Amino acid sequence: AQSVTQLDSQVPVFEEAPVELRCNYSSSVSVYLFWYVQYPNQGLQLLLKYLSGSTLVESINGFEAEFNKSQTSFHLRKPSVHISDTAEYFCAVDTSGGYNKLIFGAGTRLAVHP
Amino acid sequence: NAGVTQTPKFQVLKTGQSMTLQCAQDMNHEYMSWYRQDPGMGLRLIHYSVGAGITDQGEVPNGYNVSRSTTEDFPLRLLSAAPSQTSVYFCASSTPPGRGATNTGELFFGEGSRLTVL
Repeated sequence: AQSVTQLDSQVPVFEEAPVELRCNYSSSVSVYLFWYVQYPNQGLQLLLKYLSGSTLVESINGFEAEFNKSQTSFHLRKPSVHISDTAEYFCAVDTSGGYNKLIFGAGTRLAVHP
Repeated sequence: NAGVTQTPKFQVLKTGQSMTLQCAQDMNHEYMSWYRQDPGMGLRLIHYSVGAGITDQGEVPNGYNVSRSTTEDFPLRLLSAAPSQTSVYFCASSTPPGRGATNTGELFFGEGSRLTVL
């Protein structure tokens, strides 16, 4: 069975510091990989995704993630975080061949402190 | 744009009661799904639909029913509520990968329905 493991449930960090949120997946088939973000009392929003091609993908607000097939990882990074990045981040995989049946990790709560 | 609209936002039920969580989308998306979110467990797929008249089970379907009579609506029914169904429920919609492959995996979520079963 496919699964997604987010290695940290909470990550506290100071403003303007770098951050990495870790995600590993297990799958015997090709996957699509995603990071979603959830702000308080809201639904999830797509942050970035890897479907094919370049293994490094970027979001419009400075986050990036790198697909590493050999390590089955898709870690999310940002070189300098802002207070507004405080949210919960979910890693997800789609092994359904594009039918958008996502399997989510348990989430990582990023808390950015001044 | 309304996007994905869920009602009600909050609901308290007693064990054994039934209710329906409503979900409507105005983006003409063919795919719709229901997830539940529980602390420490992320989101788990309950049911999904690839079009009107077509539904299938997800990871945790027991105790829930769905139907899809129109493209826009995808209600989730709790037949006999149990305390284990206390959760936050999210409805999501998306487009098939053929309609522009760049849309693959981009689920549009509602704001959630918080259900408490006593």
